[in-house]
Amino acid sequence: QKEVEQNSGPLSVPEGAIASLNCTYSDRGSQSFFWYRQYSGKSPELIMFIYSNGDKEDGRFTAQLNKASQYVSLLIRDSQPSDSATYLCAVINDYKLSFGAGTTVTVRA
Amino acid sequence: NAGVMQNPRHLVRRRGQEARLRCSPMKGHSHVYWYRQLPEEGLKFMVYLQKENIIDESGMPKERFSAEFPKEGPSILRIQQVVRGDSAAYFCASSPSSAGASYNEQFFGPGTRLTVL
Repeated sequence: QKEVEQNSGPLSVPEGAIASLNCTYSDRGSQSFFWYRQYSGKSPELIMFIYSNGDKEDGRFTAQLNKASQYVSLLIRDSQPSDSATYLCAVINDYKLSFGAGTTVTVRA
Repeated sequence: NAGVMQNPRHLVRRRGQEARLRCSPMKGHSHVYWYRQLPEEGLKFMVYLQKENIIDESGMPKERFSAEFPKEGPSILRIQQVVRGDSAAYFCASSPSSAGASYNEQFFGPGTRLTVL
């Protein structure tokens, strides 16, 4: 079982819609969770982190964490073409980030 | 405030040559992490360093790979006798603190894309 699993995608959504990304993790002791965005050929860019159960909102992004279900999600509201990228879910244990394989999102204009 | 800096951005080596990748952390950050992203694969942890110390190199291949973070200057990831399978993007990240800060954010540099011919 992989440490971090994401729905493989690709995910195609129309402009203005909500993009929903899911992630599960295997280590029940994991404490903190990150969402990175990576444009093709570029480096990962941190967009959200969450460590408490519930929702965390930042602009058009909402991260949701359910530690009992070992599940993290990211919602992108009012999707824009500039949101087209690969989204990486990551879990940190001590200092090591473990990444999922990523979900590629395409926002159709 | 400059972010994490890496150089070179692109590096081409022939099989058997050495590759040296450099990383300067963000100002005020003293912890450096190296990750590798192979084509069509996810990012994988390689090594975690603090100044003059290797804290964890469990993700680094046992042979040909080494890393350092000297008292002065950038962190160096060194790959000796490169092979085609070493072709990948190598990312450096830095953070202001380390283990114990479980929600510690790591900020990534632009990466070095290594191509082995």
